Amino acid sequence: SQTIHQWPATLVQPVGSPLSLECTVEGTSNPNLYWYRQAAGRGLQLLFYSVGIGQISSEVPQNLSASRPQDRQFILSSKKLLLSDSGFYLCAWSPVKGGGKLFFGSGTQLSVL
Amino acid sequence: ILNVEQSPQSLHVQEGDSTNFTCSFPSSNFYALHWYRWETAKSPEALFVMTLNGDEKKKGQISATLNTKEGYSYLYIKGSQPEDSATYLCAFYNNAGNMLTFGGGTRLMVKP
Repeated sequence: SQTIHQWPATLVQPVGSPLSLECTVEGTSNPNLYWYRQAAGRGLQLLFYSVGIGQISSEVPQNLSASRPQDRQFILSSKKLLLSDSGFYLCAWSPVKGGGKLFFGSGTQLSVL
Repeated sequence: ILNVEQSPQSLHVQEGDSTNFTCSFPSSNFYALHWYRWETAKSPEALFVMTLNGDEKKKGQISATLNTKEGYSYLYIKGSQPEDSATYLCAFYNNAGNMLTFGGGTRLMVKP
């Protein structure tokens, strides 16, 4: 069966520090991968998605970047965190290119102070 | 930017009440409409994937309908229970890309 792992679960970082959140998927190959963020009191905003190794699409201009160094690994990074980067980050995967339901990781609560 | 709207934003009902929420989305370039349930301290889980105009899906006491021509979907919960308390998210897939655009969600609280 397929599983998705996301870590860490919580993170408190000072403004200006770097960020690295990691997500890995097991039990499937060539998944679509996604990073979403829920800012306080708002819905899920798509940050990045990837349909293959090294293929990253960004949906909103921001202080963040994403990389997919391996087929089932998706990393969210920042060189210098801003206060506005605080929020709940979710990694997800879908088994079908376009239209398939998403399976979410357990999320990371990031607080930038 | 695709506009996916959900209403109401929040809803408080008594145990046993039936309720429904609305999701509106662009009616052009439709590919799929998803409903997710997000319980506190858990990850969102898919309830329904709907692709055809007129689709009706049912899972226990929860059902959903889809109108792609006018761009809306309804989620119904019959006889709400406290364990139905969660945020219900709809998400729209258009045929121009590989991404889901989520609505802001409806937060349902069912009081015993």
